[in-house]
Amino acid sequence: DIQMTQSPSSLSASVGDRVTITCQASQDISNYLNWYQQKPGKAPKLLIYDASNLETGVPSRFSGSGSGTDFTFTISSLQPEDIATYYCQQYDNPALTFGGGTKVEIK
Amino acid sequence: EVQLVESGGGLVQPGRSLRLSCAASGFTFDDYAMHWVRQAPGKGLEWVSGISWNSGSIGYADSVKGRFTISRDNAKNSLYLQMNSLRAEDTALYYCAKSRGWFDPWGQGTLVTVSS
Repeated sequence: DIQMTQSPSSLSASVGDRVTITCQASQDISNYLNWYQQKPGKAPKLLIYDASNLETGVPSRFSGSGSGTDFTFTISSLQPEDIATYYCQQYDNPALTFGGGTKVEIK
Repeated sequence: EVQLVESGGGLVQPGRSLRLSCAASGFTFDDYAMHWVRQAPGKGLEWVSGISWNSGSIGYADSVKGRFTISRDNAKNSLYLQMNSLRAEDTALYYCAKSRGWFDPWGQGTLVTVSS
């Protein structure tokens, strides 16, 4: 199975800060990489698909980049409503796998 | 509006069985693959199983292979997960999700607790 290493596992930032999360795959997954946001007590929500495509209705402060094994998720200006845990997910291999998650908090 | 509603969760003893259901509405169900993803209390997301639109392709996580069976009934717009030989480590919130490689949307989840 493909292992997805996501870092950091948690971070604390101020409102307006730029936040970056990375996800590394154990092998080349092309651009088959998605990002989700999960708020406490809620189901995950798709934000980015195929590494860099913003899902309809998702604010433009969210973005993704990368291909192959290294991927980056960015919040350009952190807002209070962005407090959540973020997950990456690969679908290059039929055994789908998620990263361990990054919990984002406000400083 | 696309909607997925899971049901069938509950408290079950180790070694027993449970069948989860996911009722889909608001989209053409047999156009999409469907998946189950679970989340143990306080933990991250774990893919459990997926099934193609026509049930021709099915996959399982190693952790459930041989114990869980995914199925779908396109006439009823429903997805199922038959869970046998349940273990304490299967305790989790189970989500169903519509898929095109990415999961969108997700249901609200149904809680499975395996305990004596």
